[in-house]
Amino acid sequence: GAVVSQHPSWVICKSGTSVKIECRSLDFQATTMFWYRQFPKQSLMLMATSNEGSKATYEQGVEKDKFLINHASLTLSTLTVTSAHPEDSSFYICSASRGENIQYFGAGTRLSVL
Amino acid sequence: RKEVEQDPGPFNVPEGATVAFNCTYSNSASQSFFWYRQDCRKEPKLLMSVYSSGNEDGRFTAQLNRASQYISLLIRDSKLSDSATYLCVVNSGGDYKLSFGAGTTVTVRA
Repeated sequence: GAVVSQHPSWVICKSGTSVKIECRSLDFQATTMFWYRQFPKQSLMLMATSNEGSKATYEQGVEKDKFLINHASLTLSTLTVTSAHPEDSSFYICSASRGENIQYFGAGTRLSVL
Repeated sequence: RKEVEQDPGPFNVPEGATVAFNCTYSNSASQSFFWYRQDCRKEPKLLMSVYSSGNEDGRFTAQLNRASQYISLLIRDSKLSDSATYLCVVNSGGDYKLSFGAGTTVTVRA
């Protein structure tokens, strides 16, 4: 149990376009979902915490208008990178928690902005 | 100071060897501790939680030292499949937020 699906796994887009990433908990209801970004050889950096039906809480330095998070149900959260630029190229990973300290991670989305 | 710090390594060890490494955390109020494993270009996967009394899972042993604010991971009888980056992860609050170290890379050679 505790499977988290993330889609797409890899996306290449032109500068200026928007990219939507989906994160789904397949076999449990996630009370909280998290979005991370990871640059090569660096740690996962938390971008935002998302609870179903409420606004996401963004970490300091993360632009909420740039990274739109929607958590419409207990099994789905989406991250939209708006007007993506090359510096947004990174590995984006979501995770889900079912009310405990353990987080279950999606497989990640590798975003390359040309 | 980073909340979680790890020696990046790499630790290059032969098969069958024992390898151990530590991680320090800055928040003395931290409550939960984990080791995650991350393979290249993949998502982190939970390896084991770390309990106050220390715990073992097969060839993996984790220890927690609250006084010195560090946790450790020891891998016995290393296998080639143990090659990965090991992430030290700490939860410091009641909102399930986790802080990640940058990882320790272990390479097991034949």
